[in-house]
Amino acid sequence: DIQVTQSPSSLSASVGDRVTITCRASQSISTYLNWYRQKPGKGPEVLIYSASNLQSGVPSRFSGRRSGTEFTLTISGLQPEDFATYYCQQSYTSPWTFGQGTRVEI
Amino acid sequence: QVQLQQSGPGLVKPSQTLSLTCDISGDSVSSDSVVWTWIRQSPSRGLEWLAKTYFRSRWYNDSADSLKSRIIINVDTSRNQFSLQLTSVTPEDTAVYYCARGAPTRGKYYLDSWGQGTLVSVSS
Repeated sequence: DIQVTQSPSSLSASVGDRVTITCRASQSISTYLNWYRQKPGKGPEVLIYSASNLQSGVPSRFSGRRSGTEFTLTISGLQPEDFATYYCQQSYTSPWTFGQGTRVEI
Repeated sequence: QVQLQQSGPGLVKPSQTLSLTCDISGDSVSSDSVVWTWIRQSPSRGLEWLAKTYFRSRWYNDSADSLKSRIIINVDTSRNQFSLQLTSVTPEDTAVYYCARGAPTRGKYYLDSWGQGTLVSVSS
């Protein structure tokens, strides 16, 4: 199975901050890495798909990049609704696997 | 707009079968471009992909190797729904279960619509 290692597991930030979360895949997955945000008590919602494509309706403060097997999610200008947990997920091959999550706290 | 509505019991006894259904609106379970998946989430295992089903001239199923012997996915095209059965459950199967749609992106998929989640507890 392809492992996706996400870091950090948690971080503290303030409204307006720039935040970066990283996922590293255990082998090449091309660009097939997706990012989700999960608010407390809710299901995940997709933010970025295929490494750098912004999902329709998602604010432009979210962006994604790929460098080899390392992927980053950047939030430029953290908003109150962004205090949540973020997950990456690879869909390159079955079984699809998720990162362990990054909790963004105030 | 695709909406997924889950139904099923929130409490299952050990050794019994967990059964959940996902009703689809705004898309067809027989769509030849998307996949339909089940995922669960627990504090101990995080988000865990369980299985997917999809139609490409015929039906295909795929499931996690660790659960393959216990997972059954069914599709009811007349009701536009798909379902998950997990047999011989133990307390380790306690989790929030989600159904989700996999939307296509250059031959692969991302999960663009999710059900509301069902907390299933396995306890006697």
